[in-house]
Amino acid sequence: EIVLTQSPGTLSLSPGERATLSCGASQSVWSSKIAWYKQKPGQAPRLLIFGASTRAAGIPDRFSGSGSGTDFILTISRLEPEDFAVYYCQQYGSSPFTFGPGTKVDLK
Amino acid sequence: EVQLVESGGGLSHPGGSVRLSCAASGFNFRSYAMAWVRQAPGKGLEWVSAISADGDSPYYADSVKGRFTISRDNSKNTLYLQMNSLRTDDTAVYYCAKFGGIWLQPLDYWGQGALVTVSS
Repeated sequence: EIVLTQSPGTLSLSPGERATLSCGASQSVWSSKIAWYKQKPGQAPRLLIFGASTRAAGIPDRFSGSGSGTDFILTISRLEPEDFAVYYCQQYGSSPFTFGPGTKVDLK
Repeated sequence: EVQLVESGGGLSHPGGSVRLSCAASGFNFRSYAMAWVRQAPGKGLEWVSAISADGDSPYYADSVKGRFTISRDNSKNTLYLQMNSLRTDDTAVYYCAKFGGIWLQPLDYWGQGALVTVSS
């Protein structure tokens, strides 16, 4: 089983600032099959990024993903009020398709 | 418009059983793998189970293997999760989610979730 870690656990920032979220895997993720999801309280998760760097439909270009192997990053270039949420990475290259523990981006 | 609507949640005693259903619409259900993901109160996401588009290949997290069974009825556009031998740590919101393709794809659509509470 691939274990994912995310850092930091909480990121306290202001609107307009840049957010950098990290996701690390216990072993190489096949074909960089890493997805990032955003979840707001009381809502289902929403797919943001797949294949480590491809934005899902309708996702604004302030969201970008990068990385390969065991280290992946989600960057939000300028935080908007609606971006304050919890972000999860997931590997879908091999079953079980594990999630990371999440990074909460909250208002400073 | 893709819609996934879960039903069947509720209260169960430890050792009991619950069957969740997920009614799918707005896409060709039989062409996509499907999954269940759960979230315990105040906790993160946990992948539970997935099933191939044709229903022949189920996969499970170790935490539910031998207790939960995933299945699908492609004629009814419905995904199921039979949950047996329930434990208190199975208490969670259970989300039905659609793969973005036949297999090894991200989860591109999610239902709103069904709460299952296991308590004596």
